[in-house]
Amino acid sequence: AQKVTQAQTEISVVEKEDVTLDCVYETRDTTYYLFWYKQPPSGELVFLIRRNSFDEQNEISGRYSWNFQKSTSSFNFTITASQVVDSAVYFCALSEVNRDDKIIFGKGTRLHILP
Amino acid sequence: DGGITQSPKYLFRKEGQNVTLSCEQNLNHDAMYWYRQDPGQGLRLIYYSQIVNDFQKGDIAEGYSVSREKKESFPLTVTSAQKNPTAFYLCASSIAGAETQYFGPGTRLTVL
Repeated sequence: AQKVTQAQTEISVVEKEDVTLDCVYETRDTTYYLFWYKQPPSGELVFLIRRNSFDEQNEISGRYSWNFQKSTSSFNFTITASQVVDSAVYFCALSEVNRDDKIIFGKGTRLHILP
Repeated sequence: DGGITQSPKYLFRKEGQNVTLSCEQNLNHDAMYWYRQDPGQGLRLIYYSQIVNDFQKGDIAEGYSVSREKKESFPLTVTSAQKNPTAFYLCASSIAGAETQYFGPGTRLTVL
């Protein structure tokens, strides 16, 4: 069965530190998508990235980077030089393209960036 | 601007009353979803719809009902049968089932 595990429920770091949020997934399918979403205090989920299972290239977007490793079924998210505005809950998610019509979300990691 | 709107932002309900949460999208997406989020918790899927006039139960459909009469609208009714309705409700839409979902701003429902 498909499953997404975010083992870190809450993380606190001091501003300007780097921080990595872990995501481990389980799937029976060979074709799937992985996602990261950010939920700031306002509540709306903001889409950050989607990766398909055939593309293991790491992605960098400004201070954000994502490391996708099929060998360990992980899709980790790193924030470099963190800022207070990065404080939010971050969700990792998975969808199986050929088997299902919905996305499975992890339970989220609450990130506190301390000034 | 294209996007998803939910109204109202805050909603108060007396016990025993039904209440309907609105969700509208102008992204021309076929699929729409309703999630419930409790404090400090993740998202739980209530109902979803892949096409007009069709919808499926999610993981926690009991006490909720939906309709999908128009492509752009997917209202959620929280009935009096829902035992603990106080929560944050999020609506989302996507081009198709497994694709990226885009979320509305949410409705915070409180039962008094």
